[in-house]
Amino acid sequence: DIQMTQSPSSLSASVGDRVTITCRASQDISNYLAWYQQKPGKVPKLLIYAASTLQSGVPSRFSGSGSGTDFTLTISSLQPEDVASYYCQKYNSAPGTFGQGTKVEIK
Amino acid sequence: EVQLLESGGDLVQPGGSLRLSCAASGFTLSSHAMSWVRQTPGKGLEWVSAMSGGGASTYYADSVKGRFTISRDTSKSTLYLQMNSLRAEDTAVYYCARYYSSTWYHYFDYWGQGTLVTVSS
Repeated sequence: DIQMTQSPSSLSASVGDRVTITCRASQDISNYLAWYQQKPGKVPKLLIYAASTLQSGVPSRFSGSGSGTDFTLTISSLQPEDVASYYCQKYNSAPGTFGQGTKVEIK
Repeated sequence: EVQLLESGGDLVQPGGSLRLSCAASGFTLSSHAMSWVRQTPGKGLEWVSAMSGGGASTYYADSVKGRFTISRDTSKSTLYLQMNSLRAEDTAVYYCARYYSSTWYHYFDYWGQGTLVTVSS
């Protein structure tokens, strides 16, 4: 099975900072990658699909890029409401493996 | 409005069985692939099982293969997860999630609120 590796596992940044999270697949998954945000005590929410397509209603400060094996999620200007864990997920085939998650906190 | 409502979570002894249900509304179950995803308290997400929209194809994570069975009743618009031979490591919140399309070659666009399964003596 394809493994998904996220980094870092956690980060702390100031409001207004640019934040980048990396997700690496152990094999080529083309652009079959989604990013989810899970706020504390809440259900995961879809942010980005097809590696770079923003889900409707998601703020434009979120963006995704990459193809093949290397992907990034960027928050251009971190806001207090962005405190959450972020997960990548590959969906080119079953199983739909998730990355281990990145916890984002405010410094 | 799409809604997914899980139920059936409980405290069960190791080796025991449990059946989870996910009542779907606002869409036709047979038009979407569905999945179960679990999350150990304080930890990450683990994909558990999926069923195609047509119902003919199922898939399981290696960690549950041979112990868990995914099924559905389209007349009741309900997805199920039968869990047998439960282990302590199966303790988690179990989410029901809807795929964007009838196949699992897509992302999850809706999630339920989850139901807690605790395996302990």
